Amino acid sequence: AQSVSQHNHHVILSEAASLELGCNYSYGGTVNLFWYVQYPGQHLQLLLKYFSGDPLVKGIKGFEAEFIKSKFSFNLRKPSVQWSDTAEYFCAVTPNSGGYQKVTFGTGTKLQVIP
Amino acid sequence: DAGITQSPRHKVTETGTPVTLRCHQTENHRYMYWYRQDPGHGLRLIHYSYGVKDTDKGEVSDGYSVSRSKTEDFLLTLESATSSQTSVYFCAISGGGRLSTDTQYFGPGTRLTVL
Repeated sequence: AQSVSQHNHHVILSEAASLELGCNYSYGGTVNLFWYVQYPGQHLQLLLKYFSGDPLVKGIKGFEAEFIKSKFSFNLRKPSVQWSDTAEYFCAVTPNSGGYQKVTFGTGTKLQVIP
Repeated sequence: DAGITQSPRHKVTETGTPVTLRCHQTENHRYMYWYRQDPGHGLRLIHYSYGVKDTDKGEVSDGYSVSRSKTEDFLLTLESATSSQTSVYFCAISGGGRLSTDTQYFGPGTRLTVL
């Protein structure tokens, strides 16, 4: 079974600071990787995803993530955060097998951006 | 946005009463899921469905049952609600339709409080 670790539970940054949120997974096969964002009081929205190809994935709102297979990592980055990025961020992994997907979510990282 | 609605959006009930939450999709997706979200636990899968009348248990299925009589509707029932079931419940869909087939899309959530 796969698992996901998000080591940072709560991150506080000032506006314009750079962001990197860690995500590590464990699984013996090929995986699909996701980052979801949940703004206060809202549902999860897809930020970006990696299935195959270029390991540097660009998502919405200036976010990107890099898949490093040797490190089983899929860290999320943004060069300059804004107050509106205050949200909770979830990393997720699923086996790359199509059909029903057992998606495993990390426990989330709460990002607070201070104006 | 994915065409997923959940009802009710908020509910307060008493211990021991039955509760049914509804998830409705207009995307004709094959797979539907029920998750609960609790602080420190991220999202945990309760039950999922891979077709009409085809359902299976997730990792936290005790105390919950589901039914899917139509492609578009997936019901989650708490037979006898307990305070430990106080949570935010999210429905998700995947697998076909106009949205990416390998990504889960989430509904707006139902906040359930069991007193």
